[in-house]
Amino acid sequence: EVQLVESGGGLVQPGGSLRLSCAVSGFTFSSYEMNWVRQAPGKGPEWVSYISSSGHTTYYADSVKGRFTISRDNAKKSLFLQMNSLRAEDTALYYCAREFFSGWDYWGQGTLVTVSS
Amino acid sequence: QSALTQPASVSGSPGQSITISCTGATSDISGYNYVSWYQQHPGKAPKLMIYDVTNRPSGVSNRFSGSKSGYTASLTISGLQAEDEADYYCTSFTGSSTYVFGTGTKVTVL
Repeated sequence: EVQLVESGGGLVQPGGSLRLSCAVSGFTFSSYEMNWVRQAPGKGPEWVSYISSSGHTTYYADSVKGRFTISRDNAKKSLFLQMNSLRAEDTALYYCAREFFSGWDYWGQGTLVTVSS
Repeated sequence: QSALTQPASVSGSPGQSITISCTGATSDISGYNYVSWYQQHPGKAPKLMIYDVTNRPSGVSNRFSGSKSGYTASLTISGLQAEDEADYYCTSFTGSSTYVFGTGTKVTVL
């Protein structure tokens, strides 16, 4: 059974940092591209970042470029999102999602990030 | 990159067909056949319903179908059922190697 489990969310002050993790099981992690997608309370989803299966290629939404860094450890079957210089508008439920052609076929349950003083 | 435009709400009676539109631009929908659609029930993660404009993942009902013409992609739900009541979002790959979501459509089954 495919499972994606996010962790690392929490309450952080503006300007602070957090590192999210996504532990996967049930599929060959090293063969799949992965993404982070977030959803602010009461809003629609927003794509955040992409990483290739090898980890050599990454892309970011303009809203997080220069502040967030996506990475992965294929040996540990884990995906990460390092978030720096956090802003109130980064408050959201953060999902990791497995890429399947042009879509995302498996999602975690999400981890909540709240940026507030 | 601006969000793709979807109608805020669409409704239909059980058994009817409804269509949700998703309008973008040259830099996204019309430029690539990389449109996907998601269904989201309250408190749940989005579920992939259509990928690459017209393809259904294994396990998704064939009542769901996708298409594209020019700048607009569409999701059609035929034989509407109570369980189809949810929010629906389109996404498209863009020329900036990024993805953009639609504004979302709330589907109500009357």
